[in-house]
Amino acid sequence: DSGVTQTPKHLITATGQRVTLRCSPRSGDLSVYWYQQSLDQGLQFLIQYYNGEERAKGNILERFSAQQFPDLHSELNLSSLELGDSALYFCASSESKGLAGVWEETQYFGPGTRLLVL
Amino acid sequence: GEDVEQSLFLSVREGDSSVINCTYTDSSSTYLYWYKQEPGAGLQLLTYIFSNMDMKQDQRLTVLLNKKDKHLSLRIADTQTGDSAIYFCAEGRGGYNKLIFGAGTRLAVHP
Repeated sequence: DSGVTQTPKHLITATGQRVTLRCSPRSGDLSVYWYQQSLDQGLQFLIQYYNGEERAKGNILERFSAQQFPDLHSELNLSSLELGDSALYFCASSESKGLAGVWEETQYFGPGTRLLVL
Repeated sequence: GEDVEQSLFLSVREGDSSVINCTYTDSSSTYLYWYKQEPGAGLQLLTYIFSNMDMKQDQRLTVLLNKKDKHLSLRIADTQTGDSAIYFCAEGRGGYNKLIFGAGTRLAVHP
């Protein structure tokens, strides 16, 4: 158990709908990352938040958005869902330690939310 | 295409050593990681290596890094059936270390 929790575990919805995925980081971790794992694209970085602010963006679609709240939990919002959005969505957290100008960001992953769009 | 490349499949006999190889592209990557994913499960961090190291050993796991060739390997000694899983190599890229993953190597351990 990594200490990162994600809800729900499974989600089935229809095209055009909107869903919210939730992530609680490990106690003390300030950074939250979101990744998408699909059969055709593999594991892809979507977005990172650090202490409530967006820090880095990857291959995140405009239909997707995220935020990190004051209690450090994060939500990933997926809207206007398409069949191709079906995937496993992972959240990861890290302590984000700065060491001599280099950020050590070992990421611990949650169990994921499996999204199926029908 | 993948910036981080791994062979897709490896089959070994129980008790033998497994070696999973990975090549990456960003020479400025500071950290390189190995994650394990069992069926239906999340990603478990196995080990990581800082780019100024050549080798790191952690019990049955040995990581070798050839920075010149941008080649990373994971050796699992005395491979067991419980080691059967998909192993992902990842490089930490950019100032804030976003992870770029390979496609994963499926390790099958047979008796």
